[in-house]
Amino acid sequence: GAVVSQHPSRVICKSGTSVKIECRSLDFQATTMFWYRQFPKQSLMLMATSNEGSKATYEQGVEKDKFLINHASLTLSTLTVTSAHPEDSSFYICSAEGRGRYEQYFGPGTRLTVT
Amino acid sequence: KNEVEQSPQNLTAQEGEFITINCSYSVGISALHWLQQHPGGGIVSLFMLSSGKKKHGRLIATINIQEKHSSLHITASHPRDSAVYICAVGGVGNEKLTFGTGTRLTIIP
Repeated sequence: GAVVSQHPSRVICKSGTSVKIECRSLDFQATTMFWYRQFPKQSLMLMATSNEGSKATYEQGVEKDKFLINHASLTLSTLTVTSAHPEDSSFYICSAEGRGRYEQYFGPGTRLTVT
Repeated sequence: KNEVEQSPQNLTAQEGEFITINCSYSVGISALHWLQQHPGGGIVSLFMLSSGKKKHGRLIATINIQEKHSSLHITASHPRDSAVYICAVGGVGNEKLTFGTGTRLTIIP
C-alpha cells in the first residue's frame, strides 16, 4: 500500500518555541492531506485539511495562527506549532489522499512534548 | 454529523480465539475504514470498504449498508494482534472521516 512518513517521530521542545512536523507521501501524489491530533486514550481529532497549493481549511476551535499548515507540493505538507505551550503536547498524525481516491493513508505520527 | 459507535470498548481474549469487533454509524457513508493503532501510536489502514466483505490474511471485514453496521473479525488471534482497532467513516461527498473511539484488544498467550 501507499506509504506516508512523518518527521520527526518524537520531539521535545521548550515552551514558547516553534516546532515543525513534516508529512510526506513517498510513492504517490497526495492532493489532500489531513492533520489530526490525538490525546491519550482518545480518538483522532481532525485539525485541518490541506489541498496542494491552497490554504488549509481548519476545523472549528483550531487556531490557524498557532497551527500553521503548508502544503507546498504534492508530496509534502508541514504543520508548525508556533509558540508551543505544554497543553500542545500531544500525538500529531497526518494522512494523505491521492487524486480521485477516497482511501486515506496514515503517517506513523509525531509525539510532541512541550516542557 | 455521523455518530460512530464501536463495541466492545475493551476486549481480552486468549491466543487462538476468534475475535469480532463491531462498528455502527448513523448516516449514509461513502466508505468505512478499519484502522489499527499499536501502543507506539502509528496507525495502519487495514481495510477500506463500501460494500460486502474483504479479507486479508487472518483479518476479515464486512459491512452491511442497510443496517449501517460493520464488523472486523480476526481468526486465530495472536498476541501481536494486540492493539487499538478504530472504525472510521467517510460521509457521502465528504472526505472527512468520523472516528469511533476504538476497541482496545489484548490477546493473552
